[in-house]
Amino acid sequence: SAVISQKPSRDICQRGTSLTIQCQVDSQVTMMFWYRQQPGQSLTLIATANQGSEATYESGFVIDKFPISRPNLTFSTLTVSNMSPEDSSIYLCSVEDHFYPNTEAFFGQGTRLTVV
Amino acid sequence: GQNIDQPTEMTATEGAIVQINCTYQTSGFNGLFWYQQHAGEAPTFLSYNVLDGLEEKGRFSSFLSRSKGYSYLLLKELQMKDSASYLCAILKKAGTALIFGKGTTLSVSS
Repeated sequence: SAVISQKPSRDICQRGTSLTIQCQVDSQVTMMFWYRQQPGQSLTLIATANQGSEATYESGFVIDKFPISRPNLTFSTLTVSNMSPEDSSIYLCSVEDHFYPNTEAFFGQGTRLTVV
Repeated sequence: GQNIDQPTEMTATEGAIVQINCTYQTSGFNGLFWYQQHAGEAPTFLSYNVLDGLEEKGRFSSFLSRSKGYSYLLLKELQMKDSASYLCAILKKAGTALIFGKGTTLSVSS
């Protein structure tokens, strides 16, 4: 199983500023996934980060707003740029471990972001 | 497209059994996850079903019928600490991201 360290665990930020969230995995993984969970909602995929290439963003999410870095197979960052109160959410990174026929998906501890 | 449906809320009493249903329609299907999420925390893995049938893990069991696009999570001998959100999620293809349902909030009372 993979262990993911995500930080910061929480932050309160002023509107218009940016926050970078880091995820460190204890093993090499090809794909890392970034999710957002708005208050009272389920998880929504922001983007898929593959090492050595640009992240793939889901509909409704753009690189200028959520730039992602993936410098190696164990680390990724997500930046929430030019924040507004609507960005207040929990942000989660995730990796998967496949061992046919099973799969496990692991999550970081989450970053609870409040924008004021 | 894809659609994953689960009840929004359920209530039960300590010691009881509760079944949380999840129905799905997706353009691809590899397997189905169940996660538990307590307020303010990250989701915790409960089960992954790839084949039809029932998988039992202690007080929790999960069932899958691929032909019917249906799964359920069965929680036995409910405890107060089982009060949480339960998320059904689909893996369409290995190496892709999970697609989550909206979650079911379970409240267990004494």
